[in-house]
Amino acid sequence: QKEVEQNSGPLSVPEGAIASLNCTYSDRGSQSFFWYRQYSGKSPELIMFIYSNGDKEDGRFTAQLNKASQYVSLLIRDSQPSDSATYLCAASPNSGGSNYKLTFGKGTLLTVNP
Amino acid sequence: GAVVSQHPSWVICKSGTSVKIECRSLDFQATTMFWYRQFPKQSLMLMATSNEGSKATYEQGVEKDKFLINHASLTLSTLTVTSAHPEDSSFYICSARLPGQVGGDKYFGPGTRLTVL
Repeated sequence: QKEVEQNSGPLSVPEGAIASLNCTYSDRGSQSFFWYRQYSGKSPELIMFIYSNGDKEDGRFTAQLNKASQYVSLLIRDSQPSDSATYLCAASPNSGGSNYKLTFGKGTLLTVNP
Repeated sequence: GAVVSQHPSWVICKSGTSVKIECRSLDFQATTMFWYRQFPKQSLMLMATSNEGSKATYEQGVEKDKFLINHASLTLSTLTVTSAHPEDSSFYICSARLPGQVGGDKYFGPGTRLTVL
């Protein structure tokens, strides 16, 4: 059973702080990892993806991957109230072709307090 | 940018009736579409993978006779929930993928909220 685990939260941070979201996965065959943001009642939006061990930065977001520990994280710098949402971690055994599948975690609810 | 629509955005039906949900890629051709279901405070669960012109591939535990998927064209996939029951009440989301697309699924429909009374 392929599983992606996330702390459901809620994670509460003050505006301007760094929010740290964590995710672990069970399938060692997973190669690609994705972070999505989902506002209540809406569908997910892709924030970023990471394939290689280490850090990947995109604006205020940094994804970190450690395949040996089967651990993925997302850091959000200078958190804003508009970042308040549920963050979903997803994993896939590959990222090419048309039929690769994503396994999603349950998500972590982030609240950024003004 | 690529847009995916879903219709209806919400539907309420009586137990035992069938409901059809449409997923359309508005400005691109999607060879593959995916149907997900999300219960409150739960993750997105993949139900099936839909390829244009062929039978859908269902995930383990998803009843293919209950959740009928038709991908008749490169821009339209439909999910029909047959003989719906209250336990089928959920948020149904489709995603569409461009041929050869990498980097994760970016094109999700806005979702359909199904409530079965």
